[in-house]
Amino acid sequence: EDQVTQSPEALRLQEGESSSLNCSYTVSGLRGLFWYRQDPGKGPEFLFTLYSAGEEKEKERLKATLTKKESFLHITAPKPEDSATYLCAVQAGNYGQNFVFGPGTRLSVLP
Amino acid sequence: DGGITQSPKYLFRKEGQNVTLSCEQNLNHDAMYWYRQDPGQGLRLIYYSQIVNDFQKGDIAEGYSVSREKKESFPLTVTSAQKNPTAFYLCASREFTGGNQPQHFGDGTRLSIL
Repeated sequence: EDQVTQSPEALRLQEGESSSLNCSYTVSGLRGLFWYRQDPGKGPEFLFTLYSAGEEKEKERLKATLTKKESFLHITAPKPEDSATYLCAVQAGNYGQNFVFGPGTRLSVLP
Repeated sequence: DGGITQSPKYLFRKEGQNVTLSCEQNLNHDAMYWYRQDPGQGLRLIYYSQIVNDFQKGDIAEGYSVSREKKESFPLTVTSAQKNPTAFYLCASREFTGGNQPQHFGDGTRLSIL
């Protein structure tokens, strides 16, 4: 069975304190790994897609990396506006229904 | 601006009542999805549709129904058979059914029981 776990469940950082969020997955035939940001009461906002081990993507203070078993979302010098829940999802197989989401990491960045 | 619009933002259901959640997209995407989000859990797939007039059950379809009469619209009905409907419901769309494009989401409908 395809599974996605995320750790930690919650993370509290001081402004400027860099850290990483983890997404571990077990799927057969990974086609893509997706990172989303979700603000309270809103829908997830797409951040990155990673397709193969060794791939990296960057956007402002965020950098996503992928290995064969996990992905990391590195946050460099975070600001309070980076506070949100970060979701990881994997796509397996050829058809759109095979998206499996992790439970998310709730990030709080204190000024 | 292209996007996905969900309405209403908040919805209250009385016992024994069916309610319908609206999802409209102007992205010209082929595939549309409905998810349920509960605290501490990942998004769970209720139904998805790859083309007009066709849809498939997801992991938790019991107590829900959908239709796809137009490419841009994918309404979800929460029936009285769904005994625990309180949740945050998210609609998503995706450009093509195949491939590995990301899903894009609306801003959700929060359903509560009166």
